[in-house]
Amino acid sequence: RKEVEQDPGPFNVPEGATVAFNCTYSNSASQSFFWYRQDCRKEPKLLMSVYSSGNEDGRFTAQLNRASQYISLLIRDSKLSDSATYLCVVNQGGSYIPTFGRGTSLIVHP
Amino acid sequence: DAMVIQNPRYQVTQFGKPVTLSCSQTLNHNVMYWYQQKSSQAPKLLFHYYDKDFNNEADTPDNFQSRRPNTSFCFLDIRSPGLGDAAMYLCATSREGGGGNQPQHFGDGTRLSIL
Repeated sequence: RKEVEQDPGPFNVPEGATVAFNCTYSNSASQSFFWYRQDCRKEPKLLMSVYSSGNEDGRFTAQLNRASQYISLLIRDSKLSDSATYLCVVNQGGSYIPTFGRGTSLIVHP
Repeated sequence: DAMVIQNPRYQVTQFGKPVTLSCSQTLNHNVMYWYQQKSSQAPKLLFHYYDKDFNNEADTPDNFQSRRPNTSFCFLDIRSPGLGDAAMYLCATSREGGGGNQPQHFGDGTRLSIL
């Protein structure tokens, strides 16, 4: 079983749609969780950290479910500019070495 | 602005010809990482420095070496590039105090092509 798993997609949604991605992790001792956005042929950029209580940044909401060992990212009112690959990143058991998911591709169309 | 800078953005080299990629940072972060990323794949960690301590991933080929002469700079040396080494190489930094709860900051990457 992979340590961090994501549905690769692509998720193909119209503008204005709400879309959600899940990411599961295998190490129950994992402590830190992040979502990164990566545009085609560009570097990953931090979208948001994921806190135990869940957190929201504008149209983006991140949730953590420790019992089921997954994190989620919800994007409301999708924009064309949201089209990208979304990478789930987990720091396992207090280690500073991150484990990357393969990424979920999102395509927002007019 | 504090940032992570990689040079060059694009590098073309010949099969077997050594190449060096560079990374500098103004964030004063104590950890620097080198990743290899191929199309539609997750970034793959090659090695990292925690301060001056070098940490090699077990599956990183011997063909790949790294140097960190000071806090700000880190280099990736590929001694004899093969066709399979064509990829995006990403440098990242983080500030770590041992808790492992800090995100990474990435440079723009160097796209390496092998002729």
